[in-house]
Amino acid sequence: AQTVTQSQPEMSVQEAETVTLSCTYDTSENNYYLFWYKQPPSRQMILVIRQEAYKQQNATENRFSVNFQKAAKSFSLKISDSQLGDTAMYFCAFMSRIQGAQKLVFGQGTRLTINP
Amino acid sequence: DTGVSQDPRHKITKRGQNVTFRCDPISEHNRLYWYRQTLGQGPEFLTYFQNEAQLEKSRLLSDRFSAERPKGSFSTLEIQRTEQGDSAMYLCASSLYQGTGGETQYFGPGTRLLVL
Repeated sequence: AQTVTQSQPEMSVQEAETVTLSCTYDTSENNYYLFWYKQPPSRQMILVIRQEAYKQQNATENRFSVNFQKAAKSFSLKISDSQLGDTAMYFCAFMSRIQGAQKLVFGQGTRLTINP
Repeated sequence: DTGVSQDPRHKITKRGQNVTFRCDPISEHNRLYWYRQTLGQGPEFLTYFQNEAQLEKSRLLSDRFSAERPKGSFSTLEIQRTEQGDSAMYLCASSLYQGTGGETQYFGPGTRLLVL
């Protein structure tokens, strides 16, 4: 079974700084998907960024980018020029490509606080 | 905005009672997922449907839990003989599966259950 580990329970940075959230995962599959989801306080979960394992190029979405190291099974999220609205729980998640097993497997989360 | 909706948003019940939650997915989405999230943790997969077919059930889904998606539209999650350990946020998500997997899941606001 796949597992996802986020080793940083909490992080705190000043507004406009860059922050990197760590994620490692374990799988025996070669092709799969990785995601970062954001859950703001008392609000619903939304997708931040998505990476397909067979693509070597790291995904980017505006201020958000990932460092995907397939051999190391590492998938970190970098937030540049952080904003107060980035304060949230961040979850790393894995999804298999196997039909019938395409659910999200989440890590424990990292609580990120952006300070003014 | 016709996102994923869940009803009720909050439910307080006494141990031993039955509860039922409803999820209305985004209208054209063929996949619907249920997850459970306890305080400070990442969501855990419970079950998912493709149209009306239930494709996978987690071992977390004991005999007291049942989910349905009649006609492939809305879904219900019923918990019978609730226990205090069932207290959690129950999240629903939907997605448009087009044959390759890895599609974005859109989450609802969740139903927070408290069992006294």
